[in-house]
Amino acid sequence: DTGVSQNPRHKITKRGQNVTFRCDPISEHNRLYWYRQTLGQGPEFLTYFQNEAQLEKSRLLSDRFSAERPKGSFSTLEIQRTEQGDSAMYLCASSSGGPNQPQHFGDGTRLSIL
Amino acid sequence: RKEVEQDPGPFNVPEGATVAFNCTYSNSASQSFFWYRQDCRKEPKLLMSVYSSGNEDGRFTAQLNRASQYISLLIRDSKLSDSATYLCVVLDSGYALNFGKGTSLLVTP
Repeated sequence: DTGVSQNPRHKITKRGQNVTFRCDPISEHNRLYWYRQTLGQGPEFLTYFQNEAQLEKSRLLSDRFSAERPKGSFSTLEIQRTEQGDSAMYLCASSSGGPNQPQHFGDGTRLSIL
Repeated sequence: RKEVEQDPGPFNVPEGATVAFNCTYSNSASQSFFWYRQDCRKEPKLLMSVYSSGNEDGRFTAQLNRASQYISLLIRDSKLSDSATYLCVVLDSGYALNFGKGTSLLVTP
């Protein structure tokens, strides 16, 4: 399978715990994106990497959130001290080449905070 | 104000019907436009890009009106498998996709 891969698929944790998600983009894609989707809404942009550089962060990304892409390949998204409002689907996408290229999404990680 | 607005539906249509979805966007500087399809509890999947001249892909036709900041999607000869949520998507800044809330379509036998 050469698509975007995310794991875990599901994560259930207690409020206050830290969680980390992983995304492996399509191998030749240099751009990687994180989005968050809650029920009844479209996905909302969180952050964006071009190779290993994090070029943009949404105001939605509070200081409890951090994302890395250390070698310009896979990326991790960590949420510290989780809150119930963090419950959502976290989607990773990747794209190739310059701007305006379509983004291809992974299956997502569904986070549930108890 | 939401940057990308869509009628949430649901649209319930019989098999074989033609159905059209509309979308408006607020940023006149928007650069690229797409329709994505999302099945229940699945990831969004690119359906088609939308070009200024309009474009067609099989039973699907997309139109863009930059002056009115309006995008449409027409589905002809609806199939049961077309049942999904259709997301209107606008690329503003070269990286961040702005999604509408989606329009729900149910095609019935």
